Amino acid sequence: GAVVSQHPSRVICKSGTSVKIECRSLDFQATTMFWYRQFPKQSLMLMATSNEGSKATYEQGVEKDKFLINHASLTLSTLTVTSAHPEDSSFYICSAIDNPGYEQFFGPGTRLTVL
Amino acid sequence: AQTVTQSQPEMSVQEAETVTLSCTYDTSESDYYLFWYKQPPSRQMILVIRQEAYKQQNATENRFSVNFQKAAKSFSLKISDSQLGDAAMYFCAYRNNNNDMRFGAGTRLTVKP
Repeated sequence: GAVVSQHPSRVICKSGTSVKIECRSLDFQATTMFWYRQFPKQSLMLMATSNEGSKATYEQGVEKDKFLINHASLTLSTLTVTSAHPEDSSFYICSAIDNPGYEQFFGPGTRLTVL
Repeated sequence: AQTVTQSQPEMSVQEAETVTLSCTYDTSESDYYLFWYKQPPSRQMILVIRQEAYKQQNATENRFSVNFQKAAKSFSLKISDSQLGDAAMYFCAYRNNNNDMRFGAGTRLTVKP
């Protein structure tokens, strides 16, 4: 199946700093990418949907100024957590849909720890 | 809004036995997709099986099969001949034609040797 990568896999940062997480589709063009957040022992919660070349659509309750999403190309989307705080510590997962939009491929996730 | 409900937070099964995980969903749409994903300790989401709502035939993938009841909005997963490697979190998911995917709360499956 298609491969989606995320970088970094783990990141630890100080409170108040910004962190960027990259999501890449390695062998297909992703017209749409999704960002999820998963707290321990909980389900995946959709944060935002991004389409290449346009602004991301955020779910209700997700601060767009805090979680900046850029989908600059058909193979790359980035999530920047700005002015991170300990409550932003979580597991962030991206996924991507190929052109026909039939299957959604998930990245391996990024564990963010804010000290 | 679509919602997905998994009423079993935890399930256990004896190795080689069969287990069924439940999932119900709520939607007003007629065309959509349903999925079961497995999430092992590595946290990588792995697609187990998918079902298109317009297909009446239940999807099957080797030891995994579903019981899709569209009128009842039910989508259960049956795992036959359970193996130790099947132990994981299982998430039921619904996706509409706008690619909007929603997940259930998950069921933690334990396989006893």
